[in-house]
Amino acid sequence: EPEVTQTPSHQVTQMGQEVILRCVPISNHLYFYWYRQILGQKVEFLVSFYNNEISEKSEIFDDQFSVERPDGSNFTLKIRSTKLEDSAMYFCASRRGGTVETQYFGPGTRLLVL
Amino acid sequence: AQSVTQLDSQVPVFEEAPVELRCNYSSSVSVYLFWYVQYPNQGLQLLLKYLSGSTLVESINGFEAEFNKSQTSFHLRKPSVHISDTAEYFCAVSLPGRGGSEKLVFGKGTKLTVNP
Repeated sequence: EPEVTQTPSHQVTQMGQEVILRCVPISNHLYFYWYRQILGQKVEFLVSFYNNEISEKSEIFDDQFSVERPDGSNFTLKIRSTKLEDSAMYFCASRRGGTVETQYFGPGTRLLVL
Repeated sequence: AQSVTQLDSQVPVFEEAPVELRCNYSSSVSVYLFWYVQYPNQGLQLLLKYLSGSTLVESINGFEAEFNKSQTSFHLRKPSVHISDTAEYFCAVSLPGRGGSEKLVFGKGTKLTVNP
């Protein structure tokens, strides 16, 4: 069964460094998402992406964040200059399209900013 | 603003006992409701969803949830749990987004621990 994959599974970085989190969505899906979960808190929507552009972003998704689909298969989340509060589990999800189609999630990348 | 509340952060039960994981939502529009499950070291997997029609929805592994509009609830139940049901369970609502993107709003999750 096709699945969403994410790399790396864990990443440790120093504050102020740039990180890129990678996701490979399911191949025939059209909508892509990033969510994050800070330890002990809710899973929060960050951004949605469709037709090579951002559809919607939350107030968390400030100028330090960017997303890209560079080659038609990968979907990346870049954090330009990481802060301590960016430490979280980041989930990628994809959806085929149509009304209320299921979002399929990857296993997550645990990011720790020191 | 739309929100989801999961009243219990942890629920310990014994094997073969019944369980109910509670979920309440607030929304000013019609909602679509989901339960996702996260097994240790894995991603979020869809367990079941309510879109319309029958208010009782079931999963293939014996869970069911009932949409109750008057109580704005979508509680998850299983009559007899197994050790393998140990996981974290997330309730979510789907909200329409721009361009048909439809984002999910999650509760904080409930950790279900099934003990022998």
